[in-house]
Amino acid sequence: RKEVEQDPGPFNVPEGATVAFNCTYSNSASQSFFWYRQDCRKEPKLLMSVYSSGNEDGRFTAQLNRASQYISLLIRDSKLSDSATYLCAVNRGLGGGKLIFGQGTELSVKP
Amino acid sequence: DTGVSQDPRHKITKRGQNVTFRCDPISEHNRLYWYRQTLGQGPEFLTYFQNEAQLEKSRLLSDRFSAERPKGSFSTLEIQRTEQGDSAMYLCASSRDIPETQYFGPGTRLLVL
Repeated sequence: RKEVEQDPGPFNVPEGATVAFNCTYSNSASQSFFWYRQDCRKEPKLLMSVYSSGNEDGRFTAQLNRASQYISLLIRDSKLSDSATYLCAVNRGLGGGKLIFGQGTELSVKP
Repeated sequence: DTGVSQDPRHKITKRGQNVTFRCDPISEHNRLYWYRQTLGQGPEFLTYFQNEAQLEKSRLLSDRFSAERPKGSFSTLEIQRTEQGDSAMYLCASSRDIPETQYFGPGTRLLVL
């Protein structure tokens, strides 16, 4: 079993839809959680950090459930420009170190 | 541009050749990370530095791979005797100590023929 797993994709949604991605992690000692967005053949770009009970940034909301060991990303009012691969990443401990990434979930927003 | 930079952006080499990649982190970041990403997968951790000290290496980093950060600024990743399985995107990231949020460079895409 992989340490970080994401919903398999692709997700194909119409513009304006609400879409949610889930990511589970197996190491209960994990402390920091992130969502990155990656466009085709580009580098991952930080979308949101998720440190405590979750946070919101415009149309994007990230939630953390430590008891069930998962994080989620909700995108409201999807735009064509949201089409990308969304990667969740987990850092095992405070103080830095490696990120463990999920395999990514591809989102395609259609007109 | 004050982001992470990587050079070269693309590299094509023949099997058995050595290649070296360079990463320049964001100037005030003292942590530097190397990852490898293949198609359809998330980035996989290779190694990381805090200043010039290499603090962790993945088991993925075979003896053919070596990374350095001699003055705590830029870093190099060398792959000796390349194999076709080394073909991937090599990503560099940097962060402060606190917060440890990592920012990625554009990557070096390696193709081993």
